[in-house]
Amino acid sequence: DAGVTQSPTHLIKTRGQQVTLRCSPKSGHDTVSWYQQALGQGPQFIFQYYEEEERQRGNFPDRFSGHQFPNYSSELNVNALLLGDSALYLCASSLGLAGGQQFFGPGTRLTVL
Amino acid sequence: AQSVTQLGSHVSVSEGALVLLRCNYSSSVPPYLFWYVQYPNQGLQLLLKYTSAATLVKGINGFEAEFKKSETSFHLTKPSAHMSDAAEYFCAVSAGGGNKLTFGTGTQLKVEL
Repeated sequence: DAGVTQSPTHLIKTRGQQVTLRCSPKSGHDTVSWYQQALGQGPQFIFQYYEEEERQRGNFPDRFSGHQFPNYSSELNVNALLLGDSALYLCASSLGLAGGQQFFGPGTRLTVL
Repeated sequence: AQSVTQLGSHVSVSEGALVLLRCNYSSSVPPYLFWYVQYPNQGLQLLLKYTSAATLVKGINGFEAEFKKSETSFHLTKPSAHMSDAAEYFCAVSAGGGNKLTFGTGTQLKVEL
């Protein structure tokens, strides 16, 4: 049973560029949440997708957008990258919106130069 | 709104000694509380969770935590530290009924011989 997978593992971009990160949820899960973890900090909630719709959103600008596909996988898009966007981006999956256990992927390390 | 405060960004213990990692929470609704562990360059692994059942929660790897409403605390303990416990530990709170997790800033646990 595959857990949560994320791609790519590492990514280097320059300021102003756009980036897309991908996440496949754990088998049987239908809800995907994205978190940003800056160096030395706890993860911060970006948004959550369920039934291909954004259900909750944290305090992140519109440069951060996402998508969920019919197979429940998800993408996180960040436009006009800033140096401060450098972080580990974590994807978590769960079953439904009832506060079930979230399983985290290994993350994508984004470096913005 | 929910928030978590983890007291002590770094904790050092001797192998075989008691581990105590502190977490205080704030929540406007009955909270769901979690402890996660993160090893270097990895995602988050759930240690244990409190979801309004028993106040003493047992988790994996010998860890446990006690929910104390009067103190708004959810401290993590382990009777005897092992070298493999060295990692970063995050306390998180959720309002329940939704998956958004609010994390603390983490506590780096060091285990010395």
